[in-house]
Amino acid sequence: DAKTTQPTSMDCAEGRAANLPCNHSTISGNEYVYWYRQIHSQGPQYIIHGLKNNETNEMASLIITEDRKSSTLILPHATLRDTAVYYCPGVTGGGNKLTFGTGTQLKVEL
Amino acid sequence: GAGVSQSPRYKVAKRGQDVALRCDPISGHVSLFWYQQALGQGPEFLTYFQNEAQLDKSGLPSDRFFAERPEGSVSTLKIQRTQQEDSAVYLCASSLAPPLAGGDEQYFGPGTRLTVT
Repeated sequence: DAKTTQPTSMDCAEGRAANLPCNHSTISGNEYVYWYRQIHSQGPQYIIHGLKNNETNEMASLIITEDRKSSTLILPHATLRDTAVYYCPGVTGGGNKLTFGTGTQLKVEL
Repeated sequence: GAGVSQSPRYKVAKRGQDVALRCDPISGHVSLFWYQQALGQGPEFLTYFQNEAQLDKSGLPSDRFFAERPEGSVSTLKIQRTQQEDSAVYLCASSLAPPLAGGDEQYFGPGTRLTVT
């Protein structure tokens, strides 16, 4: 199964940018990079995904390195409500299996 | 619009009982996934359906676990003879199209928290 590695935890001050890294060194050429987050006691929530190019939506920006072995999720102006566990799951089996790992616990503080 | 719903939200079962967990995916979504999430861990894949066909059940931990989606919409995850190690949150997700190298996001329900005593 495709595996990713992320730091266990990160802190961010409210209003500052939160930059969450992910290593996915075993990613295949046609596998997308996905990011999800999970707020306590809720199901995971899709944030953003990309293949090769950087992507931006209303929630976040995704920066993928040229070799595609790592990516960074950027929350440009973090708020307290962004406190959650952030996952960049590995994608295998033609996209039908997400391997989540333990993710990064982001704590946004005043 | 309506998202993925799951019922019950909480279930307490005595060891040895059978349980059935229901998932209502987003209308029209072809793909449906079940995950198991233990406390403090990320979700772990259990099984995947494309319409009514179960295409991947490699994550089911034992033959006590059984999933079905007979009409390609609602799905049920059944656990027979529950054990304490089955205690976890069971998450259901759906996506619009069949996965194409992972190019389609999954929408998750709130989960069912199963506690086996």
